[in-house]
This record gives sequence, structure tokens and C-alpha cells, in this order.
Amino acid sequence: GAGVSQSPSNKVTEKGKDVELRCDPISGHTALYWYRQRLGQGLEFLIYFQGNSAPDKSGLPSDRFSAERTGESVSTLTIQRTQQEDSAVYLCASSTIPGQGGSGEKLFFGSGTQLSVL
Amino acid sequence: QQQVKQSPQSLIVQKGGISIINCAYENTAFDYFPWYQQFPGKGPALLIAIRPDVSEKKEGRFTISFNKSAKQFSLHIMDSQPGDSATYFCAASALSSGSARQLTFGSGTQLTVLP
Repeated sequence: GAGVSQSPSNKVTEKGKDVELRCDPISGHTALYWYRQRLGQGLEFLIYFQGNSAPDKSGLPSDRFSAERTGESVSTLTIQRTQQEDSAVYLCASSTIPGQGGSGEKLFFGSGTQLSVL
Repeated sequence: QQQVKQSPQSLIVQKGGISIINCAYENTAFDYFPWYQQFPGKGPALLIAIRPDVSEKKEGRFTISFNKSAKQFSLHIMDSQPGDSATYFCAASALSSGSARQLTFGSGTQLTVLP
């Protein structure tokens, strides 16, 4: 596809259930990011993948959160035992080689997954 | 600790007016300052960005002003249009020891341009 694709677009779950959110980055983009956006808030960094390097997990809020990425393609963000405070929009972004200046600095975001935990 | 402070939280401007959104940062290692625009139901999209070696960057009706000594930067939207109504996020990043650049975002400004 032409852009970053995220699925599902909306997810309603019950407290305590596990959820999986999917991100398909732009083809050829080696870097992939997950951000969380709470209602009326800024974007909170969660995790970053770059090629075959170990992911930067420094933004994950608890051990209930984990993410995987298959090569340089699809990524899934898993939230176990969901809590009401997990309700937010989860945004995925991808970019070309970061830190190299130029176009590599630009993040391309998907439309996000709106997660509602009842 | 919030590293990028953005104001105002919301802004209402008449069509044709100037919209000004301000951000301040603390980390002197930041060396890249983008602004992202987000429409409802969509992800943010890069609008314009600046590096600290220049004090101003202009692209069409959008201008970033940068004050390195004050650690502040602002977005000016000239001749604001109803289509500019969106949420605007400032951000900042520094090149870390690896190849990653983590953007630190401000809390966002909801801009409404009245027709």
C-alpha cells in the first residue's frame, strides 16, 4: 500500500482481556515506531524498531505491553490483561533510515487504532 | 518530566488571521524540530521542520521561528483558512548513540479557523 496501514481501526475490549494491534509500514521503511495518544494529549513514545537491531523498548509503560516486528515488515503491539487506562489511540509510524538527515527524519503515521477498554 | 511544552492548548482564529503556536524545550541536545498536523481520525503528518542552525524557515503560509538561546520555537500560520483547522504538535529530537531518533512531542494545540 501507499501508506502505513493499521488494523483494526477500532477495538473495544473488556478489562483483563489481551489485545493485538497490527501495523503494516510503508514498503522499504526500515524504521518503525509505536506511539500512544491519550485523548487530548500529545504522542507518547512506546517502542522503536530499526532493521535487525534490538528494539528500543524504553517507552513501554509496563510489562503488559510488548511488540514484535517480522524483519522489516509487519509489527504487532500486544497489550495483555488490558486496563481502563490503556484506552487510547495507538499510532504506528515508519520512516526510512533515521538519523541520517533529510527524508529519513520524516515519520509517516498510520491512522491509528482506537482502543477502548470497558 | 515534560521536555517539550506547547501552548496554547486551543486557539480560535478568524479566517485570514495569523495563528501562532509556541513551544519551549529543555534538552539542549535537541537538534531537529518538526511540526506535525493532525486531522480528526487521521495520524499526524509532517508539516514543516527546522534545524537550529537557522532562525526561520518558511514554506508557503507556514513559518517556523527558532530562538536557540531561549530554547523556544513557534509556528506561524499566515492567512489562516478553515481548512487549517486541525491539531498541531511541535516535536523535538536528538540523534542518540545509535541510529534512532526519538521524537518528543508537545501536548498539541487544537486550532479552529472560523469562516
